[in-house]
Amino acid sequence: GAVVSQHPSRVICKSGTSVKIECRSLDFQATTMFWYRQFPKKSLMLMATSNEGSKATYEQGVEKDKFLINHASLTLSTLTVTSAHPEDSSFYICSALKGQKNTEAFFGQGTRLTVV
Amino acid sequence: AQTVTQSQPEMSVQEAETVTLSCTYDTSESDYYLFWYKQPPSRQMILVIRQEAYKQQNATENRFSVNFQKAAKSFSLKISDSQLGDAAMYFCASRDSGGYQKVTFGTGTKLQVIP
Repeated sequence: GAVVSQHPSRVICKSGTSVKIECRSLDFQATTMFWYRQFPKKSLMLMATSNEGSKATYEQGVEKDKFLINHASLTLSTLTVTSAHPEDSSFYICSALKGQKNTEAFFGQGTRLTVV
Repeated sequence: AQTVTQSQPEMSVQEAETVTLSCTYDTSESDYYLFWYKQPPSRQMILVIRQEAYKQQNATENRFSVNFQKAAKSFSLKISDSQLGDAAMYFCASRDSGGYQKVTFGTGTKLQVIP
């Protein structure tokens, strides 16, 4: 398998502040990473596709100015929740594709964000 | 666009027995992949089994096997000899082989294993 590390695993922030979540592929290079949001007892909802060296592709309804994604290297993608509100509280999960084609997706352990 | 449907929000199985989780999907792609993921209370997503759409043979991984019916767009997961550690949320998912290879998840089935 392969390891994807997500940091932090839990974060509490105040309303109006920004918080950054990191997603690292530890033992492989990932051209493409994905960011998901999961509400309690719900499925994973794709927020955006992050491609190294280019702008992220956001899913319909996801505010790109609120959820800033940067994929500056082949092993790191970051999600920054800007001007956080309590409704942004959720579980955020990243995944990384290993390889170019016929690839496997590996998931981080997730980040529990609580905005107070 | 792809859609994945899991019609069983919750299932239960007696330890050591067999259980089948249902999944149907819809895609316009000819080349795609199907997956079952397990999400235990830790929330870590774990790949259980994968199936390439072009393969007719059903995938098998130890106690886990699938029944892939391509014409019916059905992809069920069978867990044999259920163990307490199998208790988790199970998500069926599909992924195109081209483009960004986005994964689309079903709504999940919560599996309870009864000792």
